[in-house]
Amino acid sequence: AQSVAQPEDQVNVAEGNPLTVKCTYSVSGNPYLFWYVQYPNRGLQFLLKYITGDNLVKGSYGFEAEFNKSQTSFHLKKPSALVSDSALYFCAVSPGNDYKLSFGAGTTVTVRA
Amino acid sequence: DTAVSQTPKYLVTQMGNDKSIKCEQNLGHDTMYWYKQDSKKFLKIMFSYNNKELIINETVPNRFSPKSPDKAHLNLHINSLELGDSAVYFCASSQTGTHRFGPGTRLTVL
Repeated sequence: AQSVAQPEDQVNVAEGNPLTVKCTYSVSGNPYLFWYVQYPNRGLQFLLKYITGDNLVKGSYGFEAEFNKSQTSFHLKKPSALVSDSALYFCAVSPGNDYKLSFGAGTTVTVRA
Repeated sequence: DTAVSQTPKYLVTQMGNDKSIKCEQNLGHDTMYWYKQDSKKFLKIMFSYNNKELIINETVPNRFSPKSPDKAHLNLHINSLELGDSAVYFCASSQTGTHRFGPGTRLTVL
């Protein structure tokens, strides 16, 4: 079985400050890890993924995530948040290629001007 | 170019009716999916098809029947709609692990 936990329902930061959205996972074997963002009344947009290689993954819109195998974590980070980053962020895990994604409950990010 | 498209975007219907949602992808992906997002924004897999064959069928009521006429299309037919079916339904496709999602279909059952 595979599962994802996003411990924070909401994250609030000021524009220009660093943003971190936490994610821990559980999966058999090597994990395929993803971050998606959902803007209001829109579909899910892919931000970044980790499959293998460098533990620090860079993605779209200045986001990055760090894979930590010992802590089974894949936290999403952005050095300087923008108001336009306000959205719902989902972490997801899959045990393999082209297999179903199991999503976390989502974290709502609000960036105040 | 729209990579994954769904129709309709909104669907409002009465309990007991039958409805269909269509999905098409132009990415050449072999695998397609249906996900359901409930009112609390929780996302859950419903079905997965690989090259027109059903490979994942999560615990979904028999009233839901996916159909894949070819690998670019995956439709979802729902019989005898219930209030609890109200949700946003997302179609997705993947080839190298990364899912590309459609814009979603918001289904409201009255």
